[in-house]
Amino acid sequence: GAVVSQHPSRVICKSGTSVKIECRSLDFQATTMFWYRQFPKQSLMLMATSNEGSKATYEQGVEKDKFLINHASLTLSTLTVTSAHPEDSSFYICSARPGNEQFFGPGTRLTVL
Amino acid sequence: AQSVTQPDIHITVSEGASLELRCNYSYGATPYLFWYVQSPGQGLQLLLKYFSGDTLVQGIKGFEAEFKRSQSSFNLRKPSVHWSDAAEYFCAVGAIYNNDMRFGAGTRLTVKP
Repeated sequence: GAVVSQHPSRVICKSGTSVKIECRSLDFQATTMFWYRQFPKQSLMLMATSNEGSKATYEQGVEKDKFLINHASLTLSTLTVTSAHPEDSSFYICSARPGNEQFFGPGTRLTVL
Repeated sequence: AQSVTQPDIHITVSEGASLELRCNYSYGATPYLFWYVQSPGQGLQLLLKYFSGDTLVQGIKGFEAEFKRSQSSFNLRKPSVHWSDAAEYFCAVGAIYNNDMRFGAGTRLTVKP
């Protein structure tokens, strides 16, 4: 199957700093990628849909100025958590869909101190 | 709007016993249905999927699921559980003509020796 990678796998940052998470499709091109957030012991919640060459589409309640998404190429989407706070600590997972099936990245654990 | 319900938050079974995890969905048209497994701190691995055709689908690791349109259900089964099956299981529904996917709340499986 298709492979989606994420980097970094874990990041710890201080409150107020910004953190960038990369999502790459390794063996296929993805015009659309998806960013999910997962709180401990909870399900995945779709945050936004990243579109190559255009603006991302954010789900209701997700602050677009806080969670900046850039999909600059057909294999790379980035999520930047700006001015991070402890409540942003979570597990962030990206996915891409080369066809009818979504493939998920391994996730990034963000801890904001 | 599509939605997924997993009625059981936590299930405990003995090793070697059979397993059934429930999933009910709500969607106006024919959905794509998925079961994923997630080990602690890891991304999601696809167990199986249903798009069309035979309503009993076989997946990896000995899992199977049956799509029942009349009951709007897609329950996951395994005849004999192994200790390594302990994980979080997510049912998901995706529409055919758009790109996002909705997840159930997940069912945590504990396997007793």
